Amino acid sequence: DSGVTQTPKHLITATGQRVTLRCSPRSGDLSVYWYQQSLDQGLQFLIHYYNGEERAKGNILERFSAQQFPDLHSELNLSSLELGDSALYFCASSVGTQASGEETQYFGPGTRLLVL
Amino acid sequence: EDKVVQSPLSLVVHEGDTVTLNCSYEVTNFRSLLWYKQEKKAPTFLFMLTSSGIEKKSGRLSSILDKKELSSILNITATQTGDSAIYLCAVYNPWYMNYGGSQGNLIFGKGTKLSVKP
Repeated sequence: DSGVTQTPKHLITATGQRVTLRCSPRSGDLSVYWYQQSLDQGLQFLIHYYNGEERAKGNILERFSAQQFPDLHSELNLSSLELGDSALYFCASSVGTQASGEETQYFGPGTRLLVL
Repeated sequence: EDKVVQSPLSLVVHEGDTVTLNCSYEVTNFRSLLWYKQEKKAPTFLFMLTSSGIEKKSGRLSSILDKKELSSILNITATQTGDSAIYLCAVYNPWYMNYGGSQGNLIFGKGTKLSVKP
């Protein structure tokens, strides 16, 4: 158990809908990272928040957005869902921003999203 | 384009065999390379490598980085069925902000799927 929690574990929804995924980082970690893992693309970095502030964006679609709240939990919002958005969504946390390049990211168990 | 390439994509071995997994990278700014093991759920951290030539070991697993060759290997000796998993390699690729801070993200390879048969 990494100490990172994600809810829900599974989510089934229809195309065009909007969903919110939630992540609570490990105690003491200020950074939250979101990743998408699909069969054909592997693990793709989406976005990084540090202490409530957006710090880096990766391959995140405009239909997706995220935020980190004062209690450091984070939410990833996915809207106008398409079939291709079906994937495993992981969040990870770390103590800092990885500026040193020597911090480990700890992954949550993931949310499996199925868009029908 | 920054990328991380792992080989082989899949591997089937028998218990007791030794395996070597490869990871090569091309990134703008290299800071560290990480290995993760992913079974059914979330990736779990194995090693972080920042310096060339220094082997890191944990039980039957070991890893080493070669910055000259832009690559790393992960060795597993005396494999067991419990080693069956996808092994992911990721490179930390920082960039530097105008105000002097830095941040970055992990770039993952597609993984090597290891199957260990009894």
